[in-house]
Amino acid sequence: DAGVIQSPRHEVTEMGQEVTLRCKPISGHNSLFWYRQTMMRGLELLIYFNNNVPIDDSGMPEDRFSAKMPNASFSTLKIQPSEPRDSAVYFCASSFAGGVEGYTFGSGTRLTVV
Amino acid sequence: TQLLEQSPQFLSIQEGENLTVYCNSSSVFSSLQWYRQEPGEGPVLLVTVVTGGEVKKLKRLTFQFGDARKDSSLHITAAQPGDTGLYLCAGARRNTPLVFGKGTRLSVIA
Repeated sequence: DAGVIQSPRHEVTEMGQEVTLRCKPISGHNSLFWYRQTMMRGLELLIYFNNNVPIDDSGMPEDRFSAKMPNASFSTLKIQPSEPRDSAVYFCASSFAGGVEGYTFGSGTRLTVV
Repeated sequence: TQLLEQSPQFLSIQEGENLTVYCNSSSVFSSLQWYRQEPGEGPVLLVTVVTGGEVKKLKRLTFQFGDARKDSSLHITAAQPGDTGLYLCAGARRNTPLVFGKGTRLSVIA
Protein backbone atom coordinates (compact mmCIF):
# COMPACT_ATOMS: atom_id res chain seq x y z
CA ASP A 1 0.00 0.00 0.00
CA ALA A 2 1.30 3.47 -0.85
CA GLY A 3 0.09 4.86 2.46
CA VAL A 4 -2.24 7.81 2.93
CA ILE A 5 -2.02 10.04 -0.13
CA GLN A 6 -2.72 13.75 0.07
CA SER A 7 -2.82 16.33 -2.68
CA PRO A 8 -1.66 18.89 -3.36
CA ARG A 9 1.56 18.96 -1.30
CA HIS A 10 1.68 22.74 -1.46
CA GLU A 11 -1.03 25.28 -2.16
CA VAL A 12 -0.64 29.04 -2.37
CA THR A 13 -3.82 30.97 -2.89
CA GLU A 14 -5.20 34.45 -2.52
CA MET A 15 -7.52 35.44 0.27
CA GLY A 16 -11.13 34.80 -0.70
CA GLN A 17 -10.41 31.90 -3.02
CA GLU A 18 -11.78 28.40 -2.56
CA VAL A 19 -9.29 25.71 -1.57
CA THR A 20 -9.89 21.95 -1.81
CA LEU A 21 -7.57 19.45 -0.15
CA ARG A 22 -7.77 15.79 -1.08
CA CYS A 23 -7.03 12.55 0.74
CA LYS A 24 -6.93 8.87 -0.17
CA PRO A 25 -6.81 6.72 2.99
CA ILE A 26 -5.25 3.30 3.33
CA SER A 27 -7.45 0.59 1.87
CA GLY A 28 -9.27 -1.26 4.65
CA HIS A 29 -9.00 1.53 7.19
CA ASN A 30 -12.48 2.62 8.25
CA SER A 31 -11.66 5.81 10.19
CA LEU A 32 -10.40 9.01 8.60
CA PHE A 33 -9.23 12.15 10.34
CA TRP A 34 -8.41 15.68 9.21
CA TYR A 35 -5.89 17.60 11.34
CA ARG A 36 -4.40 21.07 11.10
CA GLN A 37 -0.88 21.73 12.44
CA THR A 38 0.62 25.08 13.40
CA MET A 39 3.57 25.98 15.61
CA MET A 40 1.31 27.77 18.06
CA ARG A 41 -1.44 25.20 18.45
CA GLY A 42 0.17 21.91 17.42
CA LEU A 43 -2.03 19.23 15.85
CA GLU A 44 -5.71 20.09 16.03
CA LEU A 45 -8.41 17.62 15.06
CA LEU A 46 -10.85 19.23 12.64
CA ILE A 47 -13.22 16.37 11.81
CA TYR A 48 -13.30 12.59 11.67
CA PHE A 49 -15.29 9.95 9.84
CA ASN A 50 -16.13 6.35 10.70
CA ASN A 51 -17.24 4.20 7.76
CA ASN A 52 -17.57 7.36 5.63
CA VAL A 53 -19.96 9.01 8.11
CA PRO A 54 -18.90 12.27 9.82
CA ILE A 55 -18.85 11.64 13.56
CA ASP A 56 -17.54 14.84 15.10
CA ASP A 57 -16.90 18.13 13.33
CA SER A 58 -16.65 20.25 16.46
CA GLY A 59 -13.03 21.06 15.61
CA MET A 60 -13.93 22.74 12.32
CA PRO A 61 -13.13 26.39 13.04
CA GLU A 62 -15.92 28.04 11.08
CA ASP A 63 -18.63 27.46 8.51
CA ARG A 64 -16.03 28.29 5.89
CA PHE A 65 -14.67 24.79 6.43
CA SER A 66 -16.44 21.69 5.14
CA ALA A 67 -15.43 18.06 4.66
CA LYS A 68 -16.89 15.17 2.73
CA MET A 69 -16.20 11.47 2.37
CA PRO A 70 -18.26 10.23 -0.56
CA ASN A 71 -16.71 6.75 -0.43
CA ALA A 72 -14.20 4.68 1.52
CA SER A 73 -11.27 5.73 -0.66
CA PHE A 74 -11.64 9.48 -0.89
CA SER A 75 -12.17 12.54 1.28
CA THR A 76 -11.99 16.29 0.72
CA LEU A 77 -11.57 19.28 3.00
CA LYS A 78 -12.79 22.54 1.51
CA ILE A 79 -12.22 26.09 2.69
CA GLN A 80 -14.41 28.74 1.11
CA PRO A 81 -13.54 31.59 1.29
CA SER A 82 -9.97 31.17 2.48
CA GLU A 83 -8.30 33.65 4.84
CA PRO A 84 -4.63 34.25 5.76
CA ARG A 85 -5.20 32.76 9.23
CA ASP A 86 -6.03 29.44 7.56
CA SER A 87 -2.37 29.11 6.57
CA ALA A 88 -1.10 25.86 8.13
CA VAL A 89 -0.20 22.28 7.28
CA TYR A 90 -3.27 20.09 6.90
CA PHE A 91 -2.92 16.37 7.53
CA CYS A 92 -5.18 13.49 6.71
CA ALA A 93 -4.81 10.27 8.71
CA SER A 94 -6.55 6.92 8.62
CA SER A 95 -6.82 3.96 10.96
CA PHE A 96 -8.75 0.85 11.76
CA ALA A 97 -11.70 1.52 14.04
CA GLY A 98 -10.57 2.58 17.50
CA GLY A 99 -7.08 3.56 16.36
CA VAL A 100 -5.40 1.19 18.83
CA GLU A 101 -2.92 0.22 16.14
CA GLY A 102 -2.13 3.86 15.54
CA TYR A 103 -2.90 6.37 12.87
CA THR A 104 -1.19 6.50 9.49
CA PHE A 105 -0.69 10.07 8.38
CA GLY A 106 -0.26 11.48 4.91
CA SER A 107 2.58 13.85 4.07
CA GLY A 108 0.31 16.85 4.49
CA THR A 109 -0.71 19.85 2.43
CA ARG A 110 1.07 23.10 3.23
CA LEU A 111 -1.48 25.85 2.64
CA THR A 112 -0.47 29.48 2.34
CA VAL A 113 -3.18 32.10 1.95
CA VAL A 114 -1.86 35.52 0.94
CA THR B 1 -5.83 24.19 27.99
CA GLN B 2 -3.77 21.40 26.50
CA LEU B 3 -4.88 17.95 27.62
CA LEU B 4 -1.41 16.50 27.11
CA GLU B 5 1.57 18.60 28.14
CA GLN B 6 4.93 17.73 26.65
CA SER B 7 8.26 18.93 28.00
CA PRO B 8 10.63 20.28 27.11
CA GLN B 9 9.26 22.05 24.04
CA PHE B 10 12.72 22.31 22.47
CA LEU B 11 15.88 20.32 23.10
CA SER B 12 19.25 20.68 21.41
CA ILE B 13 21.96 18.20 22.34
CA GLN B 14 25.26 16.84 21.12
CA GLU B 15 25.55 13.46 19.43
CA GLY B 16 26.12 10.72 22.00
CA GLU B 17 24.22 12.37 24.85
CA ASN B 18 21.21 10.84 26.59
CA LEU B 19 17.88 12.59 26.94
CA THR B 20 14.40 12.15 28.34
CA VAL B 21 11.21 13.85 27.21
CA TYR B 22 7.95 13.82 29.09
CA CYS B 23 4.26 13.66 28.38
CA ASN B 24 1.92 14.52 31.25
CA SER B 25 -1.81 14.75 31.78
CA SER B 26 -4.35 14.94 34.58
CA SER B 27 -6.52 12.50 32.62
CA VAL B 28 -6.32 8.72 32.42
CA PHE B 29 -5.81 7.13 29.02
CA SER B 30 -6.45 3.57 27.87
CA SER B 31 -3.20 3.71 25.92
CA LEU B 32 -0.58 6.19 24.86
CA GLN B 33 1.21 6.41 21.55
CA TRP B 34 4.48 8.10 20.56
CA TYR B 35 5.08 9.47 17.08
CA ARG B 36 8.08 11.06 15.39
CA GLN B 37 7.61 13.68 12.71
CA GLU B 38 10.35 14.77 10.32
CA PRO B 39 10.26 18.05 8.37
CA GLY B 40 7.84 17.96 5.47
CA GLU B 41 6.28 14.67 6.53
CA GLY B 42 3.44 13.43 8.69
CA PRO B 43 3.91 11.86 12.13
CA VAL B 44 4.96 8.21 12.12
CA LEU B 45 3.98 5.85 14.92
CA LEU B 46 6.90 4.60 17.05
CA VAL B 47 5.18 2.68 19.82
CA THR B 48 1.97 2.12 21.77
CA VAL B 49 1.98 1.50 25.52
CA VAL B 50 -1.14 0.06 27.07
CA THR B 51 -0.53 -1.20 30.61
CA GLY B 52 0.28 1.06 33.55
CA GLY B 53 3.98 0.77 34.33
CA GLU B 54 4.74 -0.80 30.95
CA VAL B 55 8.20 -0.30 29.48
CA LYS B 56 8.94 -0.83 25.79
CA LYS B 57 12.28 -0.61 24.05
CA LEU B 58 12.91 0.21 20.42
CA LYS B 59 16.68 0.03 19.86
CA ARG B 60 18.04 3.10 21.71
CA LEU B 61 14.57 4.39 22.59
CA THR B 62 12.86 3.41 25.86
CA PHE B 63 9.20 4.26 26.43
CA GLN B 64 7.44 4.07 29.78
CA PHE B 65 3.77 4.41 30.67
CA GLY B 66 3.06 5.76 34.15
CA ASP B 67 1.49 3.46 36.73
CA ALA B 68 -1.68 5.57 36.78
CA ARG B 69 -1.79 5.74 32.94
CA LYS B 70 -1.69 9.55 33.02
CA ASP B 71 1.87 10.15 31.87
CA SER B 72 4.68 8.75 29.80
CA SER B 73 8.34 9.28 29.09
CA LEU B 74 10.68 8.66 26.20
CA HIS B 75 14.36 8.13 26.89
CA ILE B 76 16.94 8.14 24.10
CA THR B 77 20.38 6.70 24.77
CA ALA B 78 23.40 7.94 22.81
CA ALA B 79 21.40 10.25 20.57
CA GLN B 80 22.31 10.41 16.89
CA PRO B 81 21.59 13.09 14.26
CA GLY B 82 19.03 10.73 12.74
CA ASP B 83 16.97 11.08 15.93
CA THR B 84 16.29 14.73 15.09
CA GLY B 85 12.61 15.48 14.75
CA LEU B 86 9.38 16.39 16.50
CA TYR B 87 8.30 13.80 19.07
CA LEU B 88 4.56 13.71 19.73
CA CYS B 89 2.66 11.80 22.36
CA ALA B 90 -1.00 10.96 21.84
CA GLY B 91 -3.51 9.68 24.36
CA ALA B 92 -6.26 7.25 23.47
CA ARG B 93 -9.59 6.83 25.16
CA ARG B 94 -12.33 4.39 24.19
CA ASN B 95 -14.36 5.49 21.17
CA THR B 96 -12.72 8.90 20.88
CA PRO B 97 -9.97 10.14 18.56
CA LEU B 98 -6.39 10.46 19.74
CA VAL B 99 -5.47 13.62 21.63
CA PHE B 100 -2.02 14.91 20.69
CA GLY B 101 0.45 16.95 22.71
CA LYS B 102 2.26 19.84 21.03
CA GLY B 103 5.46 17.87 20.88
CA THR B 104 9.14 18.12 21.78
CA ARG B 105 11.36 19.38 18.99
CA LEU B 106 14.70 17.56 19.25
CA SER B 107 17.85 18.58 17.46
CA VAL B 108 20.91 16.32 17.70
CA ILE B 109 24.09 18.01 16.58
CA ALA B 110 26.94 15.96 15.15
